[in-house]
Amino acid sequence: DAGVIQSPRHEVTEMGQEVTLRCKPISGHDYLFWYRQTMMRGLELLIYFNNNVPIDDSGMPEDRFSAKMPNASFSTLKIQPSEPRDSAVYFCASTEGQYNTGELFFGEGSRLTVL
Amino acid sequence: AQSVTQLGSHVSVSEGALVLLRCNYSSSVPPYLFWYVQYPNQGLQLLLKYTSAATLVKGINGFEAEFKKSETSFHLTKPSAHMSDAAEYFCAVSDGSARQLTFGSGTQLTVLP
Repeated sequence: DAGVIQSPRHEVTEMGQEVTLRCKPISGHDYLFWYRQTMMRGLELLIYFNNNVPIDDSGMPEDRFSAKMPNASFSTLKIQPSEPRDSAVYFCASTEGQYNTGELFFGEGSRLTVL
Repeated sequence: AQSVTQLGSHVSVSEGALVLLRCNYSSSVPPYLFWYVQYPNQGLQLLLKYTSAATLVKGINGFEAEFKKSETSFHLTKPSAHMSDAAEYFCAVSDGSARQLTFGSGTQLTVLP
């Protein structure tokens, strides 16, 4: 089975530009998570979805960040406008089951650099 | 509330030596504990997990971890380090839900030849 697929793997953009990161979860998984990883703050949960519905977006840093999941096989994380402090690796992860104890399947990440 | 503290952001061992990565947790409910590994330029993958069964948990690649409630610890060990073990290791705790998974700050393991 294919794992979680993220694109792009690397993105370099200038401050003020819009950035869209994409994620395809593992087929059959009903939970999808977006994490951000930085040296300073480690791994932070930004938002998660259950059955395509956003459940908790309290980790989204600002209104510049938005996430959608239009169907079970696709999600986007958008930053508009982007700022240098948004530079990080963004991970998408998926899992199945309401009672899953914490086993997440991660994509390889999207490394974002905002100049 | 729950939290994880990983002692030592960087650990170096010689090839063939014992690997010991330390993790202490705090949780208001019986915890579920995990170790994830991240190889360079890759996502995290599950190494092993403790979900209230046996306190000594065996994972992939020869790693194991022991849950010690009295010490609130879940240290990761491997008897003999291999060069391929060089990676970053994350301890994580949840309340039994993937939605409440909290990661530690990570420990970078370097294996010296």
